[in-house]
Amino acid sequence: GAVVSQHPSRVICKSGTSVKIECRSLDFQATTMFWYRQFPKQSLMLMATSNEGSKATYEQGVEKDKFLINHASLTLSTLTVTSAHPEDSSFYICSAIGPVGYTAEAFFGQGTRLTVV
Amino acid sequence: KNQVEQSPQSLIILEGKNCTLQCNYTVSPFSNLRWYKQDTGRGPVSLTIMTFSENTKSNGRYTATLDADTKQSSLHITASQLSDSASYICVVSAGSTNAGKSTFGDGTTLTVKP
Repeated sequence: GAVVSQHPSRVICKSGTSVKIECRSLDFQATTMFWYRQFPKQSLMLMATSNEGSKATYEQGVEKDKFLINHASLTLSTLTVTSAHPEDSSFYICSAIGPVGYTAEAFFGQGTRLTVV
Repeated sequence: KNQVEQSPQSLIILEGKNCTLQCNYTVSPFSNLRWYKQDTGRGPVSLTIMTFSENTKSNGRYTATLDADTKQSSLHITASQLSDSASYICVVSAGSTNAGKSTFGDGTTLTVKP
């Protein structure tokens, strides 16, 4: 099946620094990628939707200047948490879907555990 | 408003037993319904995906059913194993082609005990 690779799986950073998380589709062209945040014992919360070559669409309440999303190619999207604070500590997950005609399935990355100290 | 409700919230069963998880939804227009298994600290892994015309789909010991009339789905796990302990998430997509416009259920946390 299709594979989505997310990197890094864990990251610890100091408060005030920025962290970049990568999401790659390894064997298909991901026309759309999604970024989620998940708190312990809660379901995934959609943060933003990104289409290759265009600006990301952010969900209500998500600060676009804090969570920078770049989808520069059909196989790579990045999420940068800028000026991270301890409250940004969370589990971040990406998913990707292929072009029209490809399976309707959405494939998830392994997730990234971000800890801001 | 599109909603997906899962029950029970949590479930504890003994190894070897069967169990059934429920998912009710109000998503419209319906595109597909997916069940995912999420281990703690990991991303969700797909178990099944069903479209409107499918009413059952199996993946090993996992069997999902879909009743599009009543907007209900179930995930049946047969002969449970300790490794089945995880969160099971029901996701319903709306629209015609965008599988990502999805509504997530809160999940059912399954614990399988020896």
